[in-house]
Amino acid sequence: KQEVTQIPAALSVPEGENLVLNCSFTDSAIYNLQWFRQDPGKGLTSLLLIQSSQREQTSGRLNASLDKSSGRSTLYIAASQPGDSATYLCAVGPMEYGNKLVFGAGTILRVKS
Amino acid sequence: NAGVMQNPRHLVRRRGQEARLRCSPMKGHSHVYWYRQLPEEGLKFMVYLQKENIIDESGMPKERFSAEFPKEGPSILRIQQVVRGDSAAYFCASSPWGASTDTQYFGPGTRLTVL
Repeated sequence: KQEVTQIPAALSVPEGENLVLNCSFTDSAIYNLQWFRQDPGKGLTSLLLIQSSQREQTSGRLNASLDKSSGRSTLYIAASQPGDSATYLCAVGPMEYGNKLVFGAGTILRVKS
Repeated sequence: NAGVMQNPRHLVRRRGQEARLRCSPMKGHSHVYWYRQLPEEGLKFMVYLQKENIIDESGMPKERFSAEFPKEGPSILRIQQVVRGDSAAYFCASSPWGASTDTQYFGPGTRLTVL
């Protein structure tokens, strides 16, 4: 059974810092890994999708890496801003039709101005 | 292109009542997923549907819960005889083909409170 763990559970940093969020998964048989952002009381916004054949994806100040063999992914946020404050969720898509996602519990990020 | 729509956004029910949650996928998307987020927990997969077909309901409780995605109209998640433990945020996501290359687009969720 696939399990996804995110570390740390919460993180508070001053504005401008570069930071790394970690995600690990127990079963390396995945098709893809996705990072989402969730704002309080809101839905999820997809940030980056990495296919299992890829090593990383970049979008603006965000960079996500994937090491499938070790069951790890990191989300790197450069030059953090208060607007980055949210919960960040990691989800893996297992190797079966349908792409149902298995989520981690999330990292709550607070960027202080 | 409107995003995934869910309604109602907030729903309050008393124990024993029925809850109906609706999800309209993005235009052109024929695959719908329902997830549940219990307080202080991550999202958990419930059910995956295509038009008129349930593909995978392995995450849905066997009793009281049902889902449908008719040929016309939104997908419906129905919870009969609700209990306090059903209080959660229910999210719907849609994708165009259900492929591993798809991004799932999530709706804003329905927050169900059972009194």
